[in-house]
Amino acid sequence: GEDVEQSLFLSVREGDSSVINCTYTDSSSTYLYWYKQEPGAGLQLLTYIFSNMDMKQDQRLTVLLNKKDKHLSLRIADTQTGDSAIYFCAVGIFTSGTYKYIFGTGTRLKVLA
Amino acid sequence: KAGVTQTPRYLIKTRGQQVTLSCSPISGHRSVSWYQQTPGQGLQFLFEYFSETQRNKGNFPGRFSGRQFSNSRSEMNVSTLELGDSALYLCASSLGVPDTQYFGPGTRLTVL
Repeated sequence: GEDVEQSLFLSVREGDSSVINCTYTDSSSTYLYWYKQEPGAGLQLLTYIFSNMDMKQDQRLTVLLNKKDKHLSLRIADTQTGDSAIYFCAVGIFTSGTYKYIFGTGTRLKVLA
Repeated sequence: KAGVTQTPRYLIKTRGQQVTLSCSPISGHRSVSWYQQTPGQGLQFLFEYFSETQRNKGNFPGRFSGRQFSNSRSEMNVSTLELGDSALYLCASSLGVPDTQYFGPGTRLTVL
């Protein structure tokens, strides 16, 4: 079945770069997404990448996609304390005639001042 | 353009009661999906509606139901509430599929 995995925790120092990793099982993914969730809030879309791309950069965010290894990463440059949150990876796939979004379990990023 | 709105933001109910949650999608979005988020299970897909039709359904019991109106607003109903239904219920809208989903702030349901 479809599965998306992420590590549970990541701790970095303010000003360093953060790299959050995600692996998925289904190779028929179309779009791949990164969302951020702050305490008590919904999911905020950070960025997304189409499956025929290898990289996408958006200000401090860089998304890398390795389709061969089914690996997606999100790099946050110059990480700030305001980046502390849970980050979700999600993949969109066509399966059984429908389109589904499969979410990872989320990575809790803690930024140390 | 206004984002996805959900009402109410917080709810406290007792076991056995029923509850209705509401979601207003971004203007022009016709697809609305519902998710349940709990610390133990993460984000679980409930169902998706498009143009008033349920197109996709997750693995939840029949106590969980939903509907979508002609203006794309959606409601979710949970009957005979159980303690385990305590969760953050998130609604997301998109133009269609495949397309990016935008989430609302969620409704925090507590069942006592």
